[in-house]
Amino acid sequence: SQQGEEDPQALSIQEGENATMNCSYKTSINNLQWYRQNSGRGLVHLILIRSNEREKHSGRLRVTLDTSKKSSSLLITASRAADTASYFCATVLNDYKLSFGAGTTVTVRA
Amino acid sequence: DTEVTQTPKHLVMGMTNKKSLKCEQHMGHRAMYWYKQKAKKPPELMFVYSYEKLSINESVPSRFSPECPNSSLLNLHLHALQPEDSALYLCASSRGLAGLNEQFFGPGTRLTVL
Repeated sequence: SQQGEEDPQALSIQEGENATMNCSYKTSINNLQWYRQNSGRGLVHLILIRSNEREKHSGRLRVTLDTSKKSSSLLITASRAADTASYFCATVLNDYKLSFGAGTTVTVRA
Repeated sequence: DTEVTQTPKHLVMGMTNKKSLKCEQHMGHRAMYWYKQKAKKPPELMFVYSYEKLSINESVPSRFSPECPNSSLLNLHLHALQPEDSALYLCASSRGLAGLNEQFFGPGTRLTVL
């Protein structure tokens, strides 16, 4: 079953602009992870944020987590064409099972 | 080596064929996963192996048969598949528990069942 829902489903931005996508989930979590998938390829882990963290940065990526609202956001700053991909949030349902959200497809226009 | 490799990249098979997908990692990870991903959908977990033992089977039909010969290898044996089984099959590994560790994904095998 899918625990995360992402918003928006698709996003088109100009190179250099920022992109923000949101993830909402249903049950309590230990942590939340974000992954990127380039077209038809494997997923790449971006960031893991723990339930006791509110914000985390990695390069041009900024992730926030609001456990009271059961939501997370991923911000990509100064976007590049190479950021064109699908982005998934994932929450942990048990020790080994990740549940992925529906994903946000980001297109960065040159 | 921080890579998960999968072979083959593409596979076309008939409904009566038997084929296998292979996944390999040399990062010393003790958990390995098979996911199925349909177009424009998120990955769906199929199987989890932990320390070479099957930990999770997400009620996958028996025409999919996983095997973990050793800590570095994961196979998925396919037999009598249906056209609706056509999808991208992703292998992943993690150092330990999914909840505490990132998963490393392979590039996937694009499977077409005719």
